[in-house]
Amino acid sequence: AQKVTQAQTEISVVEKEDVTLDCVYETRDTTYYLFWYKQPPSGELVFLIRRNSFDEQNEISGRYSWNFQKSTSSFNFTITASQVVDSAVYFCALSEAKSSGSEKLVFGKGTKLTVNP
Amino acid sequence: DAGVTQSPTHLIKTRGQQVTLRCSPKSGHDTVSWYQQALGQGPQFIFQYYEEEERQRGNFPDRFSGHQFPNYSSELNVNALLLGDSALYLCASSLDGSGWSSYNEQFFGPGTRLTVL
Repeated sequence: AQKVTQAQTEISVVEKEDVTLDCVYETRDTTYYLFWYKQPPSGELVFLIRRNSFDEQNEISGRYSWNFQKSTSSFNFTITASQVVDSAVYFCALSEAKSSGSEKLVFGKGTKLTVNP
Repeated sequence: DAGVTQSPTHLIKTRGQQVTLRCSPKSGHDTVSWYQQALGQGPQFIFQYYEEEERQRGNFPDRFSGHQFPNYSSELNVNALLLGDSALYLCASSLDGSGWSSYNEQFFGPGTRLTVL
């Protein structure tokens, strides 16, 4: 069975601090995808990144970076120089890779990030 | 190009009643997935519809049923409502048939907030 664990329930930082959100996953599949979503107070899930299990390269997009380590089954997300607008709940998710291309997503419980001015 | 839309935005029902939630997928998408997000939790997969049939189902009782119409829009029905059914119900649409080599992104709607009293 697939499982995603986000051990940090809530994190509070001061603006401009760097913050890392942890994600640990479990799966028996050899091919899978990992995701991060952002959920602002409005409720809509905003896609941030998708990672294929074959691609362990770290990725940077502006102030966001992701560290995928298959050896520790982790897919951590770092926000550099955090801003108040980064305040939201962040979800890590896992999906099998199948021929349909749109398998169900298994989500963690989320980490609520509060960035204070 | 409209994204995923859901109606209604909010809904209040009493225990034992039945409810129908509606979802219109993003233009060009043919697959609809439904998720339940209880307060403080991550979304949980309910089921997925493709070609007007339920293709995958999560661990939800038969009280939860759905339908997909020829225009790809979808309904989620919940019978005999329980207090525990109070949640944000998210609809996600995607395009099927990407094959093994890629993943078709699931785009989420803003959700329907269901309160059961």
